[in-house]
Amino acid sequence: RKEVEQDPGPFNVPEGATVAFNCTYSNSASQSFFWYRQDCRKEPKLLMSVYSSGNEDGRFTAQLNRASQYISLLIRDSKLSDSATYLCVVTPPSGTYKYIFGTGTRLKVLA
Amino acid sequence: DGGITQSPKYLFRKEGQNVTLSCEQNLNHDAMYWYRQDPGQGLRLIYYSQIVNDFQKGDIAEGYSVSREKKESFPLTVTSAQKNPTAFYLCASSIMGGRRYEQYFGPGTRLTVT
Repeated sequence: RKEVEQDPGPFNVPEGATVAFNCTYSNSASQSFFWYRQDCRKEPKLLMSVYSSGNEDGRFTAQLNRASQYISLLIRDSKLSDSATYLCVVTPPSGTYKYIFGTGTRLKVLA
Repeated sequence: DGGITQSPKYLFRKEGQNVTLSCEQNLNHDAMYWYRQDPGQGLRLIYYSQIVNDFQKGDIAEGYSVSREKKESFPLTVTSAQKNPTAFYLCASSIMGGRRYEQYFGPGTRLTVT
């Protein structure tokens, strides 16, 4: 089993739609969780950290479910500019500064 | 403006040559990282460093070497021993602390070896 798994997509959704992605992780003691956005041929950019209580930033909501070992990202009112690959990132327990990246979920928002 | 710079953006080399990729940060971050990304694939960790003059191998360190002589700089050398060096190379940095903080990335270097 991969340490971090994501559905590669693509998820094709119309503008204005709500879309959700999940990311599962294998180590129950994982410490920190993040969502990054990566545009084609560019570097990943931090979208948001994921906190235990869940957190929201505008149209984006992130949730953490430690019992089932997954994090989720919800995008409301999708824009064309949301088209990108969304990377899930998990850090192992204390003692190492490795960050483990999922392979990403590709989103295409259609006009 | 604080950030991470990588140079050059595109690099072309002949097989058998070593090449060094630059990474500089002015974020005052302690930890720095090198990743490789191949088309349609995720990021794979090559090396990381938590402190000056110390670094650890990541998952795919073979054929690569690094140095960390200054806090701001973490250059990566792709040696001729690396079998498939053509890839997108990304440098990142982060604060170190009790919890794991977010990483910030440079714009990357696309290396093509022929």
